[in-house]
Amino acid sequence: DTEVTQTPKHLVMGMTNKKSLKCEQHMGHRAMYWYKQKAKKPPELMFVYSYEKLSINESVPSRFSPECPNSSLLNLHLHALQPEDSALYLCASSHPWVVAGEQYFGPGTRLTVT
Amino acid sequence: AQSVSQHNHHVILSEAASLELGCNYSYGGTVNLFWYVQYPGQHLQLLLKYFSGDPLVKGIKGFEAEFIKSKFSFNLRKPSVQWSDTAEYFCAVTGTSWGKLQFGAGTQVVVTP
Repeated sequence: DTEVTQTPKHLVMGMTNKKSLKCEQHMGHRAMYWYKQKAKKPPELMFVYSYEKLSINESVPSRFSPECPNSSLLNLHLHALQPEDSALYLCASSHPWVVAGEQYFGPGTRLTVT
Repeated sequence: AQSVSQHNHHVILSEAASLELGCNYSYGGTVNLFWYVQYPGQHLQLLLKYFSGDPLVKGIKGFEAEFIKSKFSFNLRKPSVQWSDTAEYFCAVTGTSWGKLQFGAGTQVVVTP
């Protein structure tokens, strides 16, 4: 199984809402990632977890709060977002500490903030 | 500063034409190079990667890429494209910092029947 799944596929939320994005993989990968991708742009790294610990935070605003409850799951909690946060949010996984390691991407959650 | 640049933002070509997409990087030290593809409505997937050894690497779906260290380049090629190759193509690089995959701006490739 080389699949990374993400739920929901689409999410519309108001600026005062609290919502969460979920990502799951069963490839035994111990590194998981969140990326943000705006239309016609490349993915931008947000967070990296290694062995369930946050190892990279690319200066992401605190309204985005990641969580890695176990080695297969990765969540992104959203609160008080702005319209400019509307984007495709991608999750990925890989073996950690392998610089040349391939990252496997999920299909993404298309987020619209109204 | 570290950077990845892709030469073309948009390429249109006919089926059976040859494709070459340019990618240059600016990184100090050892690099690992990737080409990812994003088909319409699908997730990003790896086409091929280079980290050491033979600078000519072959990937899936008939793609290949050549690493030229002296030119800091990793260009993607396919001798004969099909309509199904219509997609966004991203060059990406990791340096010595594990986990930090930096993408180029992407090239939108449209193959017409």
